[in-house]
Amino acid sequence: EAGVAQSPRYKIIEKRQSVAFWCNPISGHATLYWYQQILGQGPKLLIQFQNNGVVDDSQLPKDRFSAERLKGVDSTLKIQPAKLEDSAVYLCASSSTSRRYEQYFGPGTRLTVT
Amino acid sequence: GNSVTQMEGPVTLSEEAFLTINCTYTATGYPSLFWYVQYPGEGLQLLLKATKADDKGSNKGFEATYRKETTSFHLEKGSVQVSDSAVYFCALKRLDSSYKLIFGSGTRLLVRP
Repeated sequence: EAGVAQSPRYKIIEKRQSVAFWCNPISGHATLYWYQQILGQGPKLLIQFQNNGVVDDSQLPKDRFSAERLKGVDSTLKIQPAKLEDSAVYLCASSSTSRRYEQYFGPGTRLTVT
Repeated sequence: GNSVTQMEGPVTLSEEAFLTINCTYTATGYPSLFWYVQYPGEGLQLLLKATKADDKGSNKGFEATYRKETTSFHLEKGSVQVSDSAVYFCALKRLDSSYKLIFGSGTRLLVRP
């Protein structure tokens, strides 16, 4: 089966610009996660969707980050305006309802804010 | 709160050496524990898991045992290969409806021929 797809793979922007990342989960996976992985650290959950609804967004900086998952499939994560400290790899993962402990990760988008 | 602590890397070994990467956790209750691996240029992959005390997870020659008394989940392999070079992340799953994973900071393993 196809894995989790993400695009773009790399993005360089200047601070105060906006950027959007796209994720297509594994077909049939109801749960979708966005993680932020800063260099030298482990991934940190930003937001979790169950179908269309948000389950956990407690660590999402809502003044600048937003995410949506229309129709319960693809998802986009947006940053507006970007700050230098947003430089990181943004990982998307998905899991099925029956095996939510097993998350499948995409290759990530590496964002550099200059 | 819930947290995971891993030994700092990089860990550099010769091929066929024995590997141990230490992982300890802090959590309420008895979380499930995981090891993920990230090969260069790829996403994280689940390597192994253990869901209750004394469980041993194993995969691809790697093993880890869930030790409740020492709150540890150390990763071991008897004979590493160059292809095992990667970053290894220990993680726990929160015991609530979110199934949120909390990761350690990762340990880079370099295996030399």
